[in-house]
Amino acid sequence: KNQVEQSPQSLIILEGKNCTLQCNYTVSPFSNLRWYKQDTGRGPVSLTIMTFSENTKSNGRYTATLDADTKQSSLHITASQLSDSASYICVVSLSGGSYIPTFGRGTSLIVHP
Amino acid sequence: NAGVTQTPKFQVLKTGQSMTLQCAQDMNHEYMSWYRQDPGMGLRLIHYSVGAGITDQGEVPNGYNVSRSTTEDFPLRLLSAAPSQTSVYFCASSYEADNYGYTFGSGTRLTVV
Repeated sequence: KNQVEQSPQSLIILEGKNCTLQCNYTVSPFSNLRWYKQDTGRGPVSLTIMTFSENTKSNGRYTATLDADTKQSSLHITASQLSDSASYICVVSLSGGSYIPTFGRGTSLIVHP
Repeated sequence: NAGVTQTPKFQVLKTGQSMTLQCAQDMNHEYMSWYRQDPGMGLRLIHYSVGAGITDQGEVPNGYNVSRSTTEDFPLRLLSAAPSQTSVYFCASSYEADNYGYTFGSGTRLTVV
């Protein structure tokens, strides 16, 4: 069964610190991996999308990495801000015309002043 | 503003009632989809459409119907509401199913009593 596991489930950090969120997946054959940020009470917002051939993608202070061999991805947040407090969701899609992506349960990040 | 518009934002239904959740996008996206988000679970795909006149089932389609008569609109119909359909529903769109991040609406919080 295709699965996406995210860790940690929740994380608390101080403003200005860096952090790294993890995503492991068993989805195969792999098409792409996306990271989303979801603020409380809002819809998810796309941060990055990476295909099989890409191993890093940045969006401002957010940097995603992908190791397709080990089926692992990470999202690194640099110099965290209070506005980074949100749930971060990893999503993996199959190749071959399947349009049903697999969503992780998300990592809840809280940034304290 | 360009984006995905969902209505209503909140709804309370009695068991057995029917209703339609509206979703509209003005970005000329071909791909549209509906998800439900439940506590402690990842988003799950209900139905999706790769273009006007084309719809297909996702992971959890039972109890829901969709249609796509225009590129812009993708309504989700609950045929006979059940308490198990209490959830937050998100509509999302993209240029195509793969290779692009999704744009999500702000969600509809549905309670079935």
